[in-house]
Amino acid sequence: DQQVKQNSPSLSVQEGRISILNCDYTNSMFDYFLWYKKYPAEGPTFLISISSIKDKNEDGRFTVFLNKSAKHLSLHIVPSQPGDSAVYFCAASGGDYKLSFGAGTTVTVRA
Amino acid sequence: DTAVSQTPKYLVTQMGNDKSIKCEQNLGHDTMYWYKQDSKKFLKIMFSYNNKELIINETVPNRFSPKSPDKAHLNLHINSLELGDSAVYFCASSHGLALADTQYFGPGTRLTVL
Repeated sequence: DQQVKQNSPSLSVQEGRISILNCDYTNSMFDYFLWYKKYPAEGPTFLISISSIKDKNEDGRFTVFLNKSAKHLSLHIVPSQPGDSAVYFCAASGGDYKLSFGAGTTVTVRA
Repeated sequence: DTAVSQTPKYLVTQMGNDKSIKCEQNLGHDTMYWYKQDSKKFLKIMFSYNNKELIINETVPNRFSPKSPDKAHLNLHINSLELGDSAVYFCASSHGLALADTQYFGPGTRLTVL
């Protein structure tokens, strides 16, 4: 039973526009959330994270929002650039040293 | 200079064979992991070692046996390979077990069992 869900398998966005990726989770014990980015034939690389004590974390063009009551988080990329074309994984942890990953969203940034 | 490396990158083998995947990290991390990415693209934790001690052992068949000869290496040995073992296997490492300790992933090993 998947505890982290990314319901949009793909997203296409024009260069310069905002990309919004969504993630839902079911386990109320999760208290730390991360986004990873993956290029083909490479391993995932850490992008940004957020603790459950916050509702927003920003790092340059990337902002993660957390809505604990809705068990929902989102990643905003503004402005989107061609190099942002990749698969984005949402992940969550509840302090048991394990990360639970979603299935990923493939982002394509159109020139 | 690769931080987390895995060999081989591709592995094609017959059912019933035994194979190993090697992982090495040069980041000085204490914790290493093995993940399996199945056909549905989910990354699932298999094992975690901290200072060569097994910390996480998910419900993985005992045909899978991790071995950590030292903190920089975590190898995965698979006995009696089955068709369902076909997947991409990722090794990762982190400084420690804290939630904020970023996990760094290797490039993955694509295993195909025929």
